[in-house]
Amino acid sequence: RKEVEQDPGPFNVPEGATVAFNCTYSNSASQSFFWYRQDCRKEPKLLMSVYSSGNEDGRFTAQLNRASQYISLLIRDSKLSDSATYLCVVISSMDTGRRALTFGSGTRLQVQP
Amino acid sequence: DTEVTQTPKHLVMGMTNKKSLKCEQHMGHRAMYWYKQKAKKPPELMFVYSYEKLSINESVPSRFSPECPNSSLLNLHLHALQPEDSALYLCASSRTPTENSNQPQHFGDGTRLSIL
Repeated sequence: RKEVEQDPGPFNVPEGATVAFNCTYSNSASQSFFWYRQDCRKEPKLLMSVYSSGNEDGRFTAQLNRASQYISLLIRDSKLSDSATYLCVVISSMDTGRRALTFGSGTRLQVQP
Repeated sequence: DTEVTQTPKHLVMGMTNKKSLKCEQHMGHRAMYWYKQKAKKPPELMFVYSYEKLSINESVPSRFSPECPNSSLLNLHLHALQPEDSALYLCASSRTPTENSNQPQHFGDGTRLSIL
């Protein structure tokens, strides 16, 4: 089982739609969670951190469910410019005591006119 | 606009060439990273520098040689690369090292490397 799993998609949605992605993680010692977006042939850009109580930034809402070990990203009123790959990133404690950052393989979103 | 800058943006080199990739950040971050990313895959960690010292080498072949001249700069020296080394090379930084903290990493826009 992968440490961090995402549905690769693509999710094809019309403009204005609401779309949600989930990301599951296997390490119960995971401590920090982030969503990044990556446009084609560009670098990953930090979209938002995910806090235990859930957090919102404009049209984007991130939630954490520790019991079921997943995080989610909800995008409301999708824009064409939201088309990108969304990467889930998890920081977890390892057996060594150090923390490691793990990427999910990404979920591709295509917003259509 | 990214606060981590990488040069060059594109690089084409032969298998016998020696070249260097450069990365710079002025955010006062004390950890810097090199990643390699192939198409449709997530970034793969190569090296981590914590407080200007190499702290993690993910079993990267010796044809890749990192260097951290100071807290703002990170280089990746390339020599005798193979065609399979063609990829997007990303530099990232974080306020404190991920291995000791939960700080997010901020990425530069990468160098697209092609090996002929």
